[in-house]
Amino acid sequence: EPEVTQTPSHQVTQMGQEVILRCVPISNHLYFYWYRQILGQKVEFLVSFYNNEISEKSEIFDDQFSVERPDGSNFTLKIRSTKLEDSAMYFCASSTTGGTEAFFGQGTRLTVV
Amino acid sequence: SQQGEEDPQALSIQEGENATMNCSYKTSINNLQWYRQNSGRGLVHLILIRSNEREKHSGRLRVTLDTSKKSSSLLITASRAADTASYFCATDAASGGSYIPTFGRGTSLIVHP
Repeated sequence: EPEVTQTPSHQVTQMGQEVILRCVPISNHLYFYWYRQILGQKVEFLVSFYNNEISEKSEIFDDQFSVERPDGSNFTLKIRSTKLEDSAMYFCASSTTGGTEAFFGQGTRLTVV
Repeated sequence: SQQGEEDPQALSIQEGENATMNCSYKTSINNLQWYRQNSGRGLVHLILIRSNEREKHSGRLRVTLDTSKKSSSLLITASRAADTASYFCATDAASGGSYIPTFGRGTSLIVHP
């Protein structure tokens, strides 16, 4: 069964460093999303991406964040200068179109020290 | 905010019992999705119900939607210890033609063997 895959599963980084989280969405999906979940808290929307551009973003998604679809399969989230409060699980998701089932990857646990 | 809010926050039952979780939301939706999350893992899509549907079944899962009350319920029948997880509802927030699943805080279900 097709699935969304994310790498790495766990990343530890120094405060101020740049990190890139990678996702391979399901191949025929057109909508892509990034969410984060701080430990013990709810799943928060960061950004959605469609037709090679950001379609929606939340207040969390500030200038430190960027997304890219560098080729036909990968979808990346970059955090330019990580802060301690960026420590969280980051989930990528994809769906065929808007308003259909969104399938999530297993997540990348980011720890900023 | 469009996000759904689950109720109860925590539910503890014995194996074989039924578990019912509720979700309330604030504004009109196009669809509502239920997800399961095992501790520290990704979000597993369970079921999507559209605003013009009232009930949907999938195996031991039964989801109802009452758009007049802006609420949904997830019933797990004959629960098993393996059903222990957090359960989230996600409502879409149609904005600029994109549909963003927005999550509540979840219900933590513990099924005792």
